[in-house]
Amino acid sequence: GAGVSQSPSNKVTEKGKDVELRCDPISGHTALYWYRQSLGQGLEFLIYFQGNSAPDKSGLPSDRFSAERTGGSVSTLTIQRTQQEDSAVYLCASSLLAGGPLNEQYFGPGTRLTVT
Amino acid sequence: QKEVEQNSGPLSVPEGAIASLNCTYSDRVSQSFFWYRQYSGKSPELIMSIYSNGDKEDGRFTAQLNKASQYVSLLIRDSQPSDSATYLCAVNISGSARQLTFGSGTQLTVLP
Repeated sequence: GAGVSQSPSNKVTEKGKDVELRCDPISGHTALYWYRQSLGQGLEFLIYFQGNSAPDKSGLPSDRFSAERTGGSVSTLTIQRTQQEDSAVYLCASSLLAGGPLNEQYFGPGTRLTVT
Repeated sequence: QKEVEQNSGPLSVPEGAIASLNCTYSDRVSQSFFWYRQYSGKSPELIMSIYSNGDKEDGRFTAQLNKASQYVSLLIRDSQPSDSATYLCAVNISGSARQLTFGSGTQLTVLP
């Protein structure tokens, strides 16, 4: 079946501009996660959504970052007033459920964000 | 101390050998453990999950978990050049965490 999809695959933006990154999870997966991977850095958790519950925003690095998930499916990560340190690959993952044995997370191809 | 630690490598093994990748974690209540493979320029690909102490085998891959020692490993038998990648260990740190905490990865090269 179809895996996690993300768009765009690449995004180049000027410092100070806002960007929106999109994620479409695997059909039937109720949990959706955003991570980012910077050059030379590990994978860093940003936010996760489980069904209609309030999202866990504990990993968002600043208030310039926000995310929403509409209808329990597609999610959009928004970065306002981008800075050069925001340059990274933004990865979305989904799982059947959050936590427990069904927490196997499958990643999308990522969006490479470059802030100039 | 990092929450999830891996030897960064690089680890080189000859084709056909067994590659052994190791990971330790800090939180005793961690319950779920995963190994991902990441090729250069690509996103992580889930290859193994393990939840109980002992071994779990899937084809050429064996994951080993020892919760008492807070240690999880991945063995790759009959290593192939196509196994050359970075291997990421991921853990649900603490009982309530839903997100994964990743190690920094071990770069594996399988020499033909």
